[in-house]
Formats: sequence, structure tokens, C-alpha cells
Amino acid sequence: AQTVTQSQPEMSVQEAETVTLSCTYDTSESDYYLFWYKQPPSRQMILVIRQEAYKQQNATENRFSVNFQKAAKSFSLKISDSQLGDAAMYFCAYRSRDDKIIFGKGTRLHILP
Amino acid sequence: KAGVTQTPRYLIKTRGQQVTLSCSPISGHRSVSWYQQTPGQGLQFLFEYFSETQRNKGNFPGRFSGRQFSNSRSEMNVSTLELGDSALYLCASVASGVSGELFFGEGSRLTVL
Repeated sequence: AQTVTQSQPEMSVQEAETVTLSCTYDTSESDYYLFWYKQPPSRQMILVIRQEAYKQQNATENRFSVNFQKAAKSFSLKISDSQLGDAAMYFCAYRSRDDKIIFGKGTRLHILP
Repeated sequence: KAGVTQTPRYLIKTRGQQVTLSCSPISGHRSVSWYQQTPGQGLQFLFEYFSETQRNKGNFPGRFSGRQFSNSRSEMNVSTLELGDSALYLCASVASGVSGELFFGEGSRLTVL
């Protein structure tokens, strides 16, 4: 069975600095999708970025980028120029071939002004 | 386009009661999935419905059940409530296409006393 591990329950970063959130996963599949979702306080969860496993190029969305290391089964999220609005819970998620989506336990990110 | 709508947003029940939560997906989305979110366990997958059929099921007891109607609206039911069922229940509709991005509702927060 697939698992997703986020080893950092909480992190803090100074506004305008860069922060990296870690995620590792375990799977025997070769084709899958990986996601980072953001859940702001008392607001709904939204997709930040997605990565197709068959693509070697790391996904980028504005200030958000990933470092996808398929062999190491690692999928970290880098947030550049952190802003106060980035404060949220961040969940790493894996979508298996049978369409089950498995989430990590989340990392709470604090932005320090 | 209207987002995913979950009702009720908040509810309080006592042990032994049952509860029904409702989810209306984004128009055109035929797949709906349900998650239980608790501080200690993160997001745990409950079940997924596609075209009125349960396609995937997580590791929850039989007290947790769901269904989907012909208009894609979904309900989940929890019978014989226990204190440990207190959680945020999230519904997500799944975008069509290969990536299967989830669009979440704001959730139904259940408190069991």
C-alpha cells in the first residue's frame, strides 16, 4: 500500500524568505500523480501544484515549485518570497493508479512578519 | 461556476445518534470523494463515488456509509456516533481528465458529545 510522509509537523519562515516543505512517499507503481494542497485557516483546501511522475521536469507555479526525485520517492515544495497569505496547512498527496488519493498528515506553515 | 457545497457546515450530536452530511459537487463533475480530517490523523480517505457507484473505500468501520444520486450529489451517513467521530468531514469533487485534481468544499464540522 502506498504511504505519504511529511516529516515536519510545523515550520516557520520569515516573510520574503524561501522555505522548503518535505514529502516522501512509498509506492511500487511507476506512473502516478503527486500534489501539494494548501488549507488556509478556516478556509477550503486548494491545489497548489501537481506533478506527473512520468515527467522529469519539476513543476512550477509562480512562487511555488517542486523538487521531484522519483528514485528517492521525494517530492518537496519550495515557496519563494514567502507572503503572509502563504500561512496554512500544506498537504502532500499521492494519486494511485486506481484513483485513490492518499494524503500526508500535513505541515503547518507560519509566516513571520 | 459554483464550487463544492457542503451542508451543514457545523453540527453537534451526542453519542449513539446518527448524522447525514450532504455534498453537491461542481457542475459536470461525476466523481465525489469524502475525507475525515482530524488534528492527529490528518486527512483519511473514506470513500469515492462515481456515477452512483462506490469506486473506492477507505479503512473505516461499517458505521460510515455513503451514496451518490443521479445528479452527482452525495451524502455520507455515520450511525451510532462515537466521540472519536468528531472531525471535519471534507467532500471533494474530482475534475475530469487524467490528473484527477480534487476540488474541496469547506467541510462539515461534526462535534460528538
